Amino acid sequence: GAVVSQHPSRVICKSGTSVKIECRSLDFQATTMFWYRQFPKQSLMLMATSNEGSKATYEQGVEKDKFLINHASLTLSTLTVTSAHPEDSSFYICSAPIRGRRNTEAFFGQGTRLTVV
Amino acid sequence: AQKITQTQPGMFVQEKEAVTLDCTYDTSDQSYGLFWYKQPSSGEMIFLIYQGSYDEQNATEGRYSLNFQKARKSANLVISASQLGDSAMYFCAMRPNSGYSTLTFGKGTMLLVSP
Repeated sequence: GAVVSQHPSRVICKSGTSVKIECRSLDFQATTMFWYRQFPKQSLMLMATSNEGSKATYEQGVEKDKFLINHASLTLSTLTVTSAHPEDSSFYICSAPIRGRRNTEAFFGQGTRLTVV
Repeated sequence: AQKITQTQPGMFVQEKEAVTLDCTYDTSDQSYGLFWYKQPSSGEMIFLIYQGSYDEQNATEGRYSLNFQKARKSANLVISASQLGDSAMYFCAMRPNSGYSTLTFGKGTMLLVSP
């Protein structure tokens, strides 16, 4: 079945550095990828929507210069956290909608736990 | 705009018992889908069950069933014969059926299954 592969699953970086998170769609073309952030014991909050070949759409309050999203191909979307700070430490997860029998069920990546020290 | 409300921050159940996790929703869309996901401590989001707004029968997937009451705008998840491995966070979510809209999630319910 359709799978979204997300890497890395866990990353620790120093404050001020950048971190890239990749989400690849396997066995299907993801024209759209949703990026979520989840703080401990909270729900998933949509950060941005990326569409292949066009600029991402960011939710209100999300800094587009800090969270760079690239969706250069139908199978790969990336999120780069630039100049990371401790407050960016969070769980980041992507999902790609796909039309199936469950009518646009979303397939989620495994998530990335980012710790900025 | 859609809104999902999960009023139970945490639930406890004994192994082999059934448990109901509550979910109410609000939407102006006529056609929409309701989803339940399980999130264990590893963080992955595991799809459990889906209910379409026009489905007349309640959805069932193994030990999971969805008690869909459209007039009351509720979509409660029922887990029968709870297992220790069911301990996790459970999220109710919804999405309009048009286009590729994102899911709107509730705040989640933490379920703990005891021996």
